[in-house]
Amino acid sequence: GAGVSQTPSNKVTEKGKYVELRCDPISGHTALYWYRQSLGQGPEFLIYFQGTGAADDSGLPNDRFFAVRPEGSVSTLKIQRTERGDSAVYLCASTTPPDERPEQFFGPGTRLTVL
Amino acid sequence: AQTVTQSQPEMSVQEAETVTLSCTYDTSESDYYLFWYKQPPSRQMILVIRQEAYKQQNATENRFSVNFQKAAKSFSLKISDSQLGDAAMYFCAYRSGTGTASKLTFGTGTRLQVTL
Repeated sequence: GAGVSQTPSNKVTEKGKYVELRCDPISGHTALYWYRQSLGQGPEFLIYFQGTGAADDSGLPNDRFFAVRPEGSVSTLKIQRTERGDSAVYLCASTTPPDERPEQFFGPGTRLTVL
Repeated sequence: AQTVTQSQPEMSVQEAETVTLSCTYDTSESDYYLFWYKQPPSRQMILVIRQEAYKQQNATENRFSVNFQKAAKSFSLKISDSQLGDAAMYFCAYRSGTGTASKLTFGTGTRLQVTL
């Protein structure tokens, strides 16, 4: 596709439920990032994939959060036992192969609301 | 750890006028990149401009330019001939230059209003 896509656009769930958020990066982009943006804040890093492996997951807040990228393209962010504090916009970004361009290209995000 | 500070929560500018958004950062690295991203209500983060730390020349992209002061760790964005479509949240971001890929560290953003 032309850009990074994320589904769903909006997700409303109840406290304690499990959710999956999907990111489809720009074709050919090897690096993929997840960020979380709380209301009134800038995005905060969660996890970064280079290919299929998580190269840096230091931003994941706790073990309820997990992400995969099994074939090195699409990634899924998984949140177990959701809490109201997980409500935020989850942004995905991808970049070109190493050393080509340093900027990241973002998707439109998924707004998660936990009731 | 690197930090990025945007001290202006909101700014307002009249159409066709010029506005400057401020950003300061803290790092011990010498090789890094700085960015300004625009986020309209659609939530999509759009790259406005990029600056490599090793370049002394300030980056420009049409109506957008930066004032990069490396010693002062300052990176401001100037928008000339402001247009209604410039209204959005603007985020300053830092990326380490070491390694083949690196996370972005963002500031808290500045909301820009453009008035007629």
